[in-house]
Amino acid sequence: KAGVTQTPRYLIKTRGQQVTLSCSPISGHRSVSWYQQTPGQGLQFLFEYFSETQRNKGNFPGRFSGRQFSNSRSEMNVSTLELGDSALYLCASSLWDNYGYTFGSGTRLTVV
Amino acid sequence: AQSVTQLGSHVSVSEGALVLLRCNYSSSVPPYLFWYVQYPNQGLQLLLKYTSAATLVKGINGFEAEFKKSETSFHLTKPSAHMSDAAEYFCAVIPRTGTASKLTFGTGTRLQVTL
Repeated sequence: KAGVTQTPRYLIKTRGQQVTLSCSPISGHRSVSWYQQTPGQGLQFLFEYFSETQRNKGNFPGRFSGRQFSNSRSEMNVSTLELGDSALYLCASSLWDNYGYTFGSGTRLTVV
Repeated sequence: AQSVTQLGSHVSVSEGALVLLRCNYSSSVPPYLFWYVQYPNQGLQLLLKYTSAATLVKGINGFEAEFKKSETSFHLTKPSAHMSDAAEYFCAVIPRTGTASKLTFGTGTRLQVTL
């Protein structure tokens, strides 16, 4: 059974650019969440999608957005990148609420 | 707002010694509780979770955690540490009330295992 797949694994972007990260959840999982991990702020919740609808949103600026497709795959987009956006972005999927989330290996974004 | 506190950002134990990683939550209604482990350059792996069944929860790799409502705690233990246990461990919660389904994480505890 395939796990949560995130692509790409590593990404280097320049300030001001935009980036799109992709997440394929475990087959059958309808809830997909995104987290940002940095040494200074730790693990912070970005947003959660369930059946193509954003159900929860963390405290991040509007430059961070996401969406979920009908096959449950999800993308997150960060526009006008800043140096502080450098982080490990983790995607997680869950079969149903509070079941426990399975995480992908993450996308390491470096903004230069 | 729901929060979780992990005491000790770094814990060092000898191989074969008891591992004890501490986690306390702050809500009047006990939340769903989780422990995750993260190895270098990897995502998070679920070790175990407490939903509402037995208060002693057994997880993978020989880890277990005990939910104690009176102490608002969910400490992670392993009787005998192995070198491969060296990693960062995160305690996380999801509140039982409301519609929030996001995980709120503690700041993590880095476990070092020495010979």
